Amino acid sequence: DQQVKQNSPSLSVQEGRISILNCDYTNSMFDYFLWYKKYPAEGPTFLISISSIKDKNEDGRFTVFLNKSAKHLSLHIVPSQPGDSAVYFCAASAVDDSWGKLQFGAGTQVVVTP
Amino acid sequence: GAVVSQHPSRVICKSGTSVKIECRSLDFQATTMFWYRQFPKQSLMLMATSNEGSKATYEQGVEKDKFLINHASLTLSTLTVTSAHPEDSSFYICSARDPGVSSYNEQFFGPGTRLTVL
Repeated sequence: DQQVKQNSPSLSVQEGRISILNCDYTNSMFDYFLWYKKYPAEGPTFLISISSIKDKNEDGRFTVFLNKSAKHLSLHIVPSQPGDSAVYFCAASAVDDSWGKLQFGAGTQVVVTP
Repeated sequence: GAVVSQHPSRVICKSGTSVKIECRSLDFQATTMFWYRQFPKQSLMLMATSNEGSKATYEQGVEKDKFLINHASLTLSTLTVTSAHPEDSSFYICSARDPGVSSYNEQFFGPGTRLTVL
């Protein structure tokens, strides 16, 4: 049962425009959310995170928004750059998991075109 | 800081042989390491959680006798795929937590190991 869902498998955006990636979750015990970026044949790299006590976190071109009532979060990348072309994974961690296990979504392939 | 390495990066083996994959935290001590498996164009599937000095905890549906995990030190965890078969071909990724560096439950990932079983 997929507890973290990324319903858009792919996204194409023009360079300079905004990329919006969406993520939904079902487990109300999730209290920490992370976004990872992954290139082919490489491990994911951490991008940005947000705690459930916040509704927004910003880091440079990346902003994550959390809507707890809707169990929805989104990642905004602005402006998008060609180097942003990668697969983006949304991940969540539950407050009652002492080991900090992460549940990942299926990923969204982002392609930034010139 | 917080670099995780994996070795080998790529391995091809014959069916029936065993393959060992190493995961190392290079500049921090990782009390907890995780092993994931990723099929093409799919999500990372958590296989097991490995704690230093204790037995690994496997996720439902993952055969512990098939995928042997050893976390013998604070910087090294190994995954051994025993009697590998073609269906075990996949991309295996490890990650580690560094409570001293990472915020909350952030994990640092290795570069992955591509296993191909002929």
